[in-house]
Amino acid sequence: DIVMTQSPDSLAESLGERATINCKSSQSVLHSSNNKNYLAWYQQKPGQPPKVLIYWASTRESGVPDRFSGSGSGTDFTLTISSLQAEDVAFYYCQQYYSLPRTFGQGTKVEIK
Amino acid sequence: EVQLVESGGDLLPPGGSLRLSCAASGFIFSSYWMHWVRQAPGEGLVWVSRIKGDGTSPTSADSVRGRFTISRDNAKSTLFLQMNSLRIEDTAVYYCARGSGISGENYDWHFDLWGRGTLVTVSS
Repeated sequence: DIVMTQSPDSLAESLGERATINCKSSQSVLHSSNNKNYLAWYQQKPGQPPKVLIYWASTRESGVPDRFSGSGSGTDFTLTISSLQAEDVAFYYCQQYYSLPRTFGQGTKVEIK
Repeated sequence: EVQLVESGGDLLPPGGSLRLSCAASGFIFSSYWMHWVRQAPGEGLVWVSRIKGDGTSPTSADSVRGRFTISRDNAKSTLFLQMNSLRIEDTAVYYCARGSGISGENYDWHFDLWGRGTLVTVSS
């Protein structure tokens, strides 16, 4: 199984500040056949289901604000919120869809300082 | 409206059985891989099982294999999860989720649509 490890477990930044979440996979999720990273980021607010923000490591889902961006390749990935807003308070999860079983990071809790 | 709606969650004792349903609407259900993902109280997301659009290739996580069975009825646009020999550690909110991609071409990528979940509580 591919183990996904996120850091930090939680973070608190002031409104308008940058927030960065890291995700590391235990093996590469870069598929050689299409040069795509099989990595997604999800946001989950309290009492709600997860919602995809980013897929293919850096493609923003339709409707997701452009302050959210994803980067990285192979085994190391980053989700960046360029200017933290109150509505961004949530848990964030990375997930690989390179192989079965699908696996998620443990989650990062984002709060406002 | 494109949506998934789960139902069937309940409180039951260890060793019990339960069948969850997930009703899909607003899209061609048979064209997509479908998954179950669970989340124990206060914990993270854990993938449980998936099934191809045509109802073939069911696969489950090691933790539930032999106890849980995923299936679907494409005529009714409904996904199921039959849960047997339930354990306390199966307590969780169970989400159904759609795999993006093209089932007919065996593409199953990120989860682009989620239901709101149904709570299963296993307790004596």
